[in-house]
Amino acid sequence: DTEVTQTPKHLVMGMTNKKSLKCEQHMGHRAMYWYKQKAKKPPELMFVYSYEKLSINESVPSRFSPECPNSSLLNLHLHALQPEDSALYLCASSQGWGESYNEQFFGPGTRLTVL
Amino acid sequence: AQSVSQHNHHVILSEAASLELGCNYSYGGTVNLFWYVQYPGQHLQLLLKYFSGDPLVKGIKGFEAEFIKSKFSFNLRKPSVQWSDTAEYFCAVNLPTSGTYKYIFGTGTRLKVLA
Repeated sequence: DTEVTQTPKHLVMGMTNKKSLKCEQHMGHRAMYWYKQKAKKPPELMFVYSYEKLSINESVPSRFSPECPNSSLLNLHLHALQPEDSALYLCASSQGWGESYNEQFFGPGTRLTVL
Repeated sequence: AQSVSQHNHHVILSEAASLELGCNYSYGGTVNLFWYVQYPGQHLQLLLKYFSGDPLVKGIKGFEAEFIKSKFSFNLRKPSVQWSDTAEYFCAVNLPTSGTYKYIFGTGTRLKVLA
């Protein structure tokens, strides 16, 4: 299995809602990533988990809360988001972390709309 | 600051035309380089990568790229494009940042191939 899966594909939420995005991989990868991608822009790194520990938080607002329950799963909990948070949220994974040769595999993304 | 630039933001070609997309990075040390493609409504897929060895690398779907260290470049080429190559193309470089390595993406090139 060489796939990274993400659910849901689309999510519409209000500014007072709490929702979660889910990402899963079964490639035995030890690093998982959350990216945010606005239209016509490159992906921007948000968080990195390596060996189930948070390794990087790119100064992301606390209304985004990542969680890594096990080595195959990565969640992104959302609370009190703003309309400008509307974007495509991408999950990725890589075999290892912190080496120059790590290749990242991307999921299809969750398209989030905040009303 | 380390950066990755793609100078062609929009490219329009007719089928069978040759393609070359530029990618330049600013870092003097050893780098690993990637080209990803994002077809409309689909996830980022790896086209090809360069870690070491032959600077001319071949990828999927007839794409190739040449690493020229002296020019800090990793340009993507295809001799004859097809309508199905219409997509957004991102160059990514795994660069050392704050004691680890992170993907830095270029701004992307939107390719439209006319049938």
